[in-house]
Amino acid sequence: GIQVEQSPPDLILQEGANSTLRCNFSDSVNNLQWFHQNPWGQLINLFYIPSGTKQNGRLSATTVATERYSLLYISSSQTTDSGVYFCAVGVRGAGGTSYGKLTFGQGTILTVHP
Amino acid sequence: EAGVTQSPTHLIKTRGQQATLRCSPISGHTSVYWYQQALGLGLQFLLWYDEGEERNRGNFPPRFSGRQFPNYSSELNVNALELEDSALYLCASRLSGIYEQYFGPGTRLTVT
Repeated sequence: GIQVEQSPPDLILQEGANSTLRCNFSDSVNNLQWFHQNPWGQLINLFYIPSGTKQNGRLSATTVATERYSLLYISSSQTTDSGVYFCAVGVRGAGGTSYGKLTFGQGTILTVHP
Repeated sequence: EAGVTQSPTHLIKTRGQQATLRCSPISGHTSVYWYQQALGLGLQFLLWYDEGEERNRGNFPPRFSGRQFPNYSSELNVNALELEDSALYLCASRLSGIYEQYFGPGTRLTVT
């Protein structure tokens, strides 16, 4: 199956700093999503971005599908940005099913200090 | 618009018992996915239901089963609970024809 690797595993920042999280994947994908897991465990959708670039406030993401990686940028970080960030991908499944499971990376644990 | 809802929030069971977890998708969504997040093992795909049918299952034993009802809500059943079944169980839903999945708040299952 597809492999998803996220880096770095841990990131510690001071409030106001910028950061870049990376997601590498081993095969062509038809779905790529970035999530923020809050302290209670819920996965919050950040971006659906199988290719291209998107921005939402202080967050932006870029996926270069041909080179099989995606980047999540966080600018002017705040303490509320702390938590685990997951990249998850979906591929065309057996039998031509296009809308299958997500395969998750191991996550990046972000800690933002005031 | 209400998001994906799950119940109960927490569930405590003893080894050997059965657990039932429930999920209601976003209105209009017809696909429901179940994932397990066990400590140290990351997020693993469990089951996918679409239009009432099981479409795919992950690498889990048959003790893990479920179903999807005509209103597209879903139930996950775990039989003969083992200690290692202790985990956060997340449900996600998806609109037909769209890839993006949306997650609920999860059910934290503790097996003692």
